[in-house]
Amino acid sequence: DVKVTQSSRYLVKRTGEKVFLECVQDMDHENMFWYRQDPGLGLRLIYFSYDVKMKEKGDIPEGYSVSREKKERFSLILESASTNQTSMYLCASSLSQFEAFFGQGTRLTVV
Amino acid sequence: SQKIEQNSEALNIQEGKTATLTCNYTNYSPAYLQWYRQDPGRGPVFLLLIRENEKEKRKERLKVTFDTTLKQSLFHITASQPADSATYLCALERGQAGTALIFGKGTTLSVSS
Repeated sequence: DVKVTQSSRYLVKRTGEKVFLECVQDMDHENMFWYRQDPGLGLRLIYFSYDVKMKEKGDIPEGYSVSREKKERFSLILESASTNQTSMYLCASSLSQFEAFFGQGTRLTVV
Repeated sequence: SQKIEQNSEALNIQEGKTATLTCNYTNYSPAYLQWYRQDPGRGPVFLLLIRENEKEKRKERLKVTFDTTLKQSLFHITASQPADSATYLCALERGQAGTALIFGKGTTLSVSS
């Protein structure tokens, strides 16, 4: 069964902390994505990667960076967490032009 | 810029009726369109994908249409059940680099018995 696993379900961090959100997929997909989801704003694309060590900015990359050193793992980094980064973060993977498989989400609270 | 709109934020229907959800897009010529279901606190789950050369696609009680002239997709759930209550999202490939999806804000369907 296809699986995308996010390292934490819930996370509470302090303002200014460096935060790492990890995502692992077991489907050998070339594409991986990070979205955040906020009430009234829907799912917004932060960054995506179409190959190892490759990354592309999404629609809201400011304050975030990513790392993809291995095909199965895609990390989202909040360089200096701020309260406006409190959100649900969703990782996904896919083959090109096929459906995306999502992880269970990480609800991050920055205090 | 590319835009996806799902016309209704919420839709309430009676059990057994057909639910019809709408997705419109502008400034786009997507090769395919997808529909997802999302339950509260969980990640979206893929339901159906329809390509530009397909007018209609079905899966059990679900039907999707794709009208590239109107720039619209309709998503139907026939014989709806309370278990169909969820948020439904449409998604299109993002213009640049083509591999990422962008999503509409979703329509929350409530089916009452």
